Amino acid sequence: GQNIDQPTEMTATEGAIVQINCTYQTSGFNGLFWYQQHAGEAPTFLSYNVLDGLEEKGRFSSFLSRSKGYSYLLLKELQMKDSASYLCAGMDSNYQLIWGAGTKLIIKP
Amino acid sequence: GAVVSQHPSWVICKSGTSVKIECRSLDFQATTMFWYRQFPKQSLMLMATSNEGSKATYEQGVEKDKFLINHASLTLSTLTVTSAHPEDSSFYICSATPRDSDYQPQHFGDGTRLSIL
Repeated sequence: GQNIDQPTEMTATEGAIVQINCTYQTSGFNGLFWYQQHAGEAPTFLSYNVLDGLEEKGRFSSFLSRSKGYSYLLLKELQMKDSASYLCAGMDSNYQLIWGAGTKLIIKP
Repeated sequence: GAVVSQHPSWVICKSGTSVKIECRSLDFQATTMFWYRQFPKQSLMLMATSNEGSKATYEQGVEKDKFLINHASLTLSTLTVTSAHPEDSSFYICSATPRDSDYQPQHFGDGTRLSIL
């Protein structure tokens, strides 16, 4: 079966760094997406990885290891506005997204 | 670029009413659009995949006669919740993928908050 696992909730301090992990099992693999979703709002696209390695985009970076079925989203210099749910989604061989349940990130001052 | 507009953003109506939600890709053509539902503090749940010019593909457990989907053009898909009841109250979100590549992220509309009294 297809499955995406990520922690339910994480807490971090403003200004710090946090890493949100995601493991995936998909039927075929066409990439791994990360989305941010603030409470009451729709998700917004953060990153896409299809090759192994780290993709950096400002304060956010995303890493992929296809051999391990593993990805992480790294958030640096945390700001209060980063408090949100972070959704990991794997794209299968049919180009369909398999969604994780999301990780609620709580930022404390 | 890649803007998806969803309308209305908020609907409150009486039980038994049918509600239509529109999803438009404003600056790209979308062969495929997706409809999601999200209950409070729960994850996104894919309801159906809408393909332009053909019937939608519904996920298991989603009643196709209750949630009517029409993808009449490459920029518009509609979801009609027929004879809505309080248990249909939820946050409905559409997304679309540009047609020129399968490796494109889904871009989401702002969502429609549906409240059935």
